[in-house]
Amino acid sequence: AQTVTQSQPEMSVQEAETVTLSCTYDTSESDYYLFWYKQPPSRQMILVIRQEAYKQQNATENRFSVNFQKAAKSFSLKISDSQLGDAAMYFCAYRSPSGGSNYKLTFGKGTLLTVNP
Amino acid sequence: NAGVTQTPKFRILKIGQSMTLQCAQDMNHNYMYWYRQDPGMGLKLIYYSVGAGITDKGEVPNGYNVSRSTTEDFPLRLELAAPSQTSVYFCASSYGGHMNTEAFFGQGTRLTVV
Repeated sequence: AQTVTQSQPEMSVQEAETVTLSCTYDTSESDYYLFWYKQPPSRQMILVIRQEAYKQQNATENRFSVNFQKAAKSFSLKISDSQLGDAAMYFCAYRSPSGGSNYKLTFGKGTLLTVNP
Repeated sequence: NAGVTQTPKFRILKIGQSMTLQCAQDMNHNYMYWYRQDPGMGLKLIYYSVGAGITDKGEVPNGYNVSRSTTEDFPLRLELAAPSQTSVYFCASSYGGHMNTEAFFGQGTRLTVV
C-alpha cells in the first residue's frame, strides 16, 4: 500500500519570503499522480498543484512550484512571495492511475503553515 | 454549477443515534468518496463508489454504510453513533479512468458524538 509522509507538522514563514514544505511517499508503481491540497480554516480542500510521475518537468502554478524527485520519492512544495492568505494546512496526496479503490487519494498528515506579517 | 454539496455542516449526535450525511455533485463524476479527518491526521477513506449501484469499502468502513442509487448522490449513513466517530467528514468526487484529474471536495461536516 502506498504511504505519504509529511515530516513537518508546522512551518512558519515571513510574508514575502519563500518556504518549502516536504513530502515523501512510498510506492512500487512507476506511474502515479501527486497533489498538494490546501485547507484553510474554512475547511475547504483546495487543489494547489499536481504532478504526473511520468513528466520530468516540475509543475508550476504562479507562486507555487514543486520539486519532484522520482528516484528519491520526494515531492516538495515551494511557495514564493508568501502571502497572508497562504496560511493553511497543506496536504500532500498520492493517487494511483489504476482502477477501483486505487483512484482514491492517500494523504499525508499535513503541515500547518503560518505566515507572519 | 455547485460542485460537491454536503449537508449538514455541523451536527451533534448522542451515542447510539443514527444519521445520514448527504452528498451531491453536479459534475457528472462517476467516482465519489467519503473521507474522515481526525485532528492531526490526514484524510482516511471510509467508502467509495465507482458509479451508480457500485460501492466498496475503504480503509475505515466500520460503523458506516453507503448507497449510490444515482450518479449525483452518495449519502453516508452512521448507525449507532459512537464517540470514535467524532470527526470531520468530507465527500469528494472525480472522473475515473487514466486521467490526471483532481478530486473535488465538499466543505465538510463536523460531527460530534457525545
